[in-house]
Amino acid sequence: DIQMTQSPASLSASLGETVTIECRASEDIYSNLAWYQQKPGNSPQLLIYDANSLADGVPSRFSGSGSGTQYSLKINSLQSEDVASYFCQQYNNYPPYTFGAGTKLELK
Amino acid sequence: EVQLVESGGGLVQPGRSLKLSCLASGFTFSNYGMNWIRQAPGKGLEWVASISSSSSYIYYADTVKGRFTISRDNAKNTLYLQMTSLRSEDTALYYCARHRLGWFAYWGQGTLVTVSS
Repeated sequence: DIQMTQSPASLSASLGETVTIECRASEDIYSNLAWYQQKPGNSPQLLIYDANSLADGVPSRFSGSGSGTQYSLKINSLQSEDVASYFCQQYNNYPPYTFGAGTKLELK
Repeated sequence: EVQLVESGGGLVQPGRSLKLSCLASGFTFSNYGMNWIRQAPGKGLEWVASISSSSSYIYYADTVKGRFTISRDNAKNTLYLQMTSLRSEDTALYYCARHRLGWFAYWGQGTLVTVSS
């Protein structure tokens, strides 16, 4: 199984700041990576697929990048509504689909 | 509008069974693979099972293989998860999700399963 290691586990940032979350796969996943946002009390919502493609309706301040085993999610100009947990997920080699452990983003 | 509505969760004793349902609307259900994904309280996401559009391909996580059965009724636009021999570690919010080329584009609101005596 492919292991997904996400960092940091938690993050505190100020409004307007740029935030980066990292995800490392245990082997090359050829950009078959998605990012999800989960706001408190809600179900996860797709943000990014294929490592860098923005899902419908997602603000352009979110972006994804990376290749091979290293990927990142960047949030430019942090807004209050971005307070959430973020998860990466690989779909290069399944089953199983595997998720990172998550990053909890809070406002400073 | 795509909607996925899970039901069937509840409190169940260890070793007992429970069947979850997910009613889909707003899209042609029979064209899409579907999944169950769970989240233990305060924890991360764990994929549980997948079923292809025509039920030809079915996959399970090792943690539930042999105990859980995923199925679907395309005439009723409904996805199911039959859970047997439930354990305390199966306690979680269970989401159904529609997948597209590997990622999960739409999620339901989840149904809570609590396994406890």
